[in-house]
Amino acid sequence: QSALTQPASVSGSPGQWITISCTGTSSDIGGYNYVSWYQQHPGKAPKLMIYDVSNRPSGVSNRFSGSKSGNTASLTISGLQAEDEADYYCSSYTSSTTRVFGTGTKVTVL
Amino acid sequence: EVRLVESGGGLVQPGGSLRLSCAASGFIFSGYSMNWVRQAPGKGLEWVSYIRSSSSIIYYAESVKGRFTISRDNAKNSLYLQMNSLRDEDTAVYYCARDLDGYWGFDYWGQGTLVTVSS
Repeated sequence: QSALTQPASVSGSPGQWITISCTGTSSDIGGYNYVSWYQQHPGKAPKLMIYDVSNRPSGVSNRFSGSKSGNTASLTISGLQAEDEADYYCSSYTSSTTRVFGTGTKVTVL
Repeated sequence: EVRLVESGGGLVQPGGSLRLSCAASGFIFSGYSMNWVRQAPGKGLEWVSYIRSSSSIIYYAESVKGRFTISRDNAKNSLYLQMNSLRDEDTAVYYCARDLDGYWGFDYWGQGTLVTVSS
């Protein structure tokens, strides 16, 4: 099972919005509504930001939103803030090994 | 407060073995499925293994199948990962992560324990 494909880096200015894509296949993202997103700051454990494609856990800012179209899932961060600078990973259920992560995206706030 | 605390990491030679533990507290451990996820230095996250709450269902990533064994002791609120035939590429921080109950995601993570495979 290959990792899901994410852009290596995405950047934006404070207050802007950015979108991170996560591309898979019909055996993972395209076949199930089981996509989650994680934020990871350097030296820290990952933090769940989105589950089941578009749901936010309690305590996660509503500036974070998720969606899916076909084999591609997306995480949008609106009103970009300095604290959003981190690595972001998507994850999906997959029919082959049940769980797979994306390659990861480094978000830089300019 | 939910807490997951990993232990057991360290330096091991190629071909060696190591057993990781994850001590859980702050929730009913026996009611949740659990996972091990690893992250090689400077690299991305890689899912390693999953175990259902009752241990009835277990999955492994292809990269560790046949070498790693996941287990749990619900009476001790603990998750384990027995790692045998270790390779250089197994060097990573290993996290235990709880499955979000009834939904898709890992909602709580430990701080991780570093495993270094080197001669």
